[in-house]
Amino acid sequence: KAGVTQTPRYLIKTRGQQVTLSCSPISGHRSVSWYQQTPGQGLQFLFEYFSETQRNKGNFPGRFSGRQFSNSRSEMNVSTLELGDSALYLCASSLTNGYGYTFGSGTRLTVV
Amino acid sequence: EDQVTQSPEALRLQEGESSSLNCSYTVSGLRGLFWYRQDPGKGPEFLFTLYSAGEEKEKERLKATLTKKESFLHITAPKPEDSATYLCAGLGEEKLTFGTGTRLTIIP
Repeated sequence: KAGVTQTPRYLIKTRGQQVTLSCSPISGHRSVSWYQQTPGQGLQFLFEYFSETQRNKGNFPGRFSGRQFSNSRSEMNVSTLELGDSALYLCASSLTNGYGYTFGSGTRLTVV
Repeated sequence: EDQVTQSPEALRLQEGESSSLNCSYTVSGLRGLFWYRQDPGKGPEFLFTLYSAGEEKEKERLKATLTKKESFLHITAPKPEDSATYLCAGLGEEKLTFGTGTRLTIIP
C-alpha cells in the first residue's frame, strides 16, 4: 500500500515569506503528526491532528500552524520565516494516536 | 517534561562486531517505546514498539529490550547495510518524544 507522501521534497524560501507543506497519510489513517528535525535538536514535536481536530501541540511559536482536511490530508504553514526554521519537516500517520507511526520522507526547507 | 537520551552519539564497528545502543527515558505515563532507523535524506523507518518492562523483540540482526528506565538495541554481527542513525522515542500521554539518535557506521 502507498506510504505517507509529503510534498514538496525541497523548498527554498526567503526570510519573512510564508510556506505551506502538505502531507497525505496512509489510506485509512486518521492521525497525522508533524515534526521538525534539525541536527542540533533532533525531532521536535510540532502538533498532531485527528479527525480534523488538533489534539496536541508542541512548544513552537504561533507562526507554526496546521490543519487537517476531511480526507485526513494535512497541511502545515509557517509564516514570517526565520533562518532558524531551516530544517527537515516530517509528518507521520497512524490509525489512531499511539500506535504504528509511519513517517514520510520529509520536506527539506531552507530559509535564506 | 518528558526526556529521552541516547548514547553513544556515534558508534563505529567492524563488520561482524556486535554491540548495543542505549536509550534512557523519563516519560510520564509511558504508553510505548519506539525504535526507528533513519537513512540520510529519508524519514524514520519503524523497527519496533515495546510496551512493558521485560519485553523483547527481534528482527534479523536487531533485538530491542525494555526496562523501566532504559531500552537497548542490540545489533548482532552487523553488516555495512546496517549503517544508519537509530532513533528511540517514548510515547507519553500526549506525544512522541525522540532522542537525538545514535549514528552507527559499520566498516567492511
